[in-house]
Amino acid sequence: TQLLEQSPQFLSIQEGENLTVYCNSSSVFSSLQWYRQEPGEGPVLLVTVVTGGEVKKLKRLTFQFGDARKDSSLHITAAQPGDTGLYLCAGAGGNNRLAFGKGNQVVVIP
Amino acid sequence: DTGVSQDPRHKITKRGQNVTFRCDPISEHNRLYWYRQTLGQGPEFLTYFQNEAQLEKSRLLSDRFSAERPKGSFSTLEIQRTEQGDSAMYLCASRGSSGVTDTQYFGPGTRLTVL
Repeated sequence: TQLLEQSPQFLSIQEGENLTVYCNSSSVFSSLQWYRQEPGEGPVLLVTVVTGGEVKKLKRLTFQFGDARKDSSLHITAAQPGDTGLYLCAGAGGNNRLAFGKGNQVVVIP
Repeated sequence: DTGVSQDPRHKITKRGQNVTFRCDPISEHNRLYWYRQTLGQGPEFLTYFQNEAQLEKSRLLSDRFSAERPKGSFSTLEIQRTEQGDSAMYLCASRGSSGVTDTQYFGPGTRLTVL
């Protein structure tokens, strides 16, 4: 059972378009991480959000943590082919393990 | 490179054989985690070490699986009598004891294929 639901599971867009993907749960997390994973590689950390309502920016990527610390969103502005990848969200519930969603597969077409 | 490293990157074995994977965490990190990821799924937690102590194990970790971290630095994950269902990416992550976040940093993974 996945504690975190990510939507949409697959998204294909043209270069230059904007996109938003979502990570939702019924559980409260002490923090939430977003990772990007390439085929055959491990997840690479993008950001950690800790405070409810927090917004963090990483170049063209904007991450928001929900007020209740149960959900998060990732918005990409003017997507580029290099943004292609599997975006994973992971919640930390204080029991030392991360609970992952299945990921948002993003494909940016040149 | 001071990130998490894993060896080997790929392993192909026949059903019934034993395999062992190694993880070297970020040097100052005292917490080490193993996860397993199958196709189309996110990583699933297997086990957790704080220093040399194995403090938590998932129900996914059957008795054919054993993990060690003898000196509180590198860790090994052994799978005995491998089955085709063990085919997956095995990921290691580490985390420091300082700071207020639960951020874990992952290695590149070991891809296991059981024939």
